[in-house]
Amino acid sequence: GAGVSQTPSNKVTEKGKYVELRCDPISGHTALYWYRQSLGQGPEFLIYFQGTGAADDSGLPNDRFFAVRPEGSVSTLKIQRTERGDSAVYLCASSLRMATEAFFGQGTRLTVV
Amino acid sequence: DAKTTQPTSMDCAEGRAANLPCNHSTISGNEYVYWYRQIHSQGPQYIIHGLKNNETNEMASLIITEDRKSSTLILPHATLRDTAVYYCIVKAGGTSYGKLTFGQGTILTVHP
Repeated sequence: GAGVSQTPSNKVTEKGKYVELRCDPISGHTALYWYRQSLGQGPEFLIYFQGTGAADDSGLPNDRFFAVRPEGSVSTLKIQRTERGDSAVYLCASSLRMATEAFFGQGTRLTVV
Repeated sequence: DAKTTQPTSMDCAEGRAANLPCNHSTISGNEYVYWYRQIHSQGPQYIIHGLKNNETNEMASLIITEDRKSSTLILPHATLRDTAVYYCIVKAGGTSYGKLTFGQGTILTVHP
C-alpha cells in the first residue's frame, strides 16, 4: 500500500484482557513510531524503532505495554491486562532515517470497557 | 526539546490567509521548528519545517523571527479542507528521526 496501515481500525475489549495492535509501515522505511492520543490532546510518544531494535522506549507508560518489530517491517503494540485508562487512539508512523517527515497511519481506536 | 506555546483556537475566512503563531522562546541552536496538522479522524500530516530561514513549499510558508523565539505558519489561501488542529513542534536535527513532542496545538476553523 501507499501509506502506513494500521489494523484494526477499532477495537473494543474488556478490562483485563490482552490486545495487539498492528502497524504496517511504508515499504523501505527503517524508522517506526508508536504514539497514543487521548481525546482533546496531542499525540504522546510511546516508542520508536530503528530497524528491529527499540531505539527509544521512554514513552511506554508501564510494563503492561510492549512493542516488537521482529523483521524490521511490521510492528505490533501489545497491551496486557488492559485498563479503562488505556482507551485512546494509537497512532503509528514511519520514516526514512534521514527524511524530513514522518508519515502517520489513521490510527487504531481502542476502547476498554 | 524546547516547549512551544500556541493559541487554543483561531478562525479564518475561506480564501484568506491563515496566520498561525507559535512561541518557542527556549529553542536551542540545533533545534528546528516543525509544523504538522491533524484533520479530524486522521493521523498527523507533515507540513513544513525550518531552522532559521523562511521556508515555503506547496502547502504553506514558515516565517521564523530573527531571534528564533517565535514563528508563524502561513496558509496563503485557506480552504474548508484546511480546518484541522495545527501543531508547532521544536525538535533537534533537521530530519524526522526520533520522537516528536506534540502540544495541544491550535484548532483552525476555516469558515465559508
